[in-house]
Amino acid sequence: GAVVSQHPSRVICKSGTSVKIECRSLDFQATTMFWYRQFPKQSLMLMATSNEGSKATYEQGVEKDKFLINHASLTLSTLTVTSAHPEDSSFYICSARDRVSVTQYFGPGTRLLVL
Amino acid sequence: GQQLNQSPQSMFIQEGEDVSMNCTSSSIFNTWLWYKQDPGEGPVLLIALYKAGELTSNGRLTAQFGITRKDSFLNISASIPSDVGIYFCAGPPSGYGNKLVFGAGTILRVKS
Repeated sequence: GAVVSQHPSRVICKSGTSVKIECRSLDFQATTMFWYRQFPKQSLMLMATSNEGSKATYEQGVEKDKFLINHASLTLSTLTVTSAHPEDSSFYICSARDRVSVTQYFGPGTRLLVL
Repeated sequence: GQQLNQSPQSMFIQEGEDVSMNCTSSSIFNTWLWYKQDPGEGPVLLIALYKAGELTSNGRLTAQFGITRKDSFLNISASIPSDVGIYFCAGPPSGYGNKLVFGAGTILRVKS
């Protein structure tokens, strides 16, 4: 099946630093990728939609200057958490939408801990 | 916003038993997706349904796209310990573009 990778799988950083998370579709092209955030024992919350070659669209309440998204190619999207604070600690998951089958496949997630 | 009502919230069953969970919505869906998530991992797609009334199986899993396009169920037959995890229904409501709305999840625990 389709494979989506995320890097890093987990990261610990100091408050005030920025963290970049990569999402790659390994065996298919994705014109659209999505970034989700998941708190413990809760469902996935869509943060933003990443469109290849254009600006990302953000869900209501998500700060675009806080969560920078770049989708530079058909197989790579990045999420940068700028000036991270402890409340940004969470599980961040990306998904990639296969441009042919339109099914979304999820990455394994990135656990972010901000101290 | 769009909502998916998923039930039950959790299940604790005996190994070998069958499991049933469902999702309903007040909105019409064009696609229904069922995912399983293990702790610390991303969701893995189990079954995708694209047509109203469609009934699809994947091994011991069977899912159906409701005829009204507002509901879907997932059945797991003869559960085994590795079925443990959180199951999510998801889909793009009609007019919502490519964005997925997720149910709250069903936590499945299996007693061996």
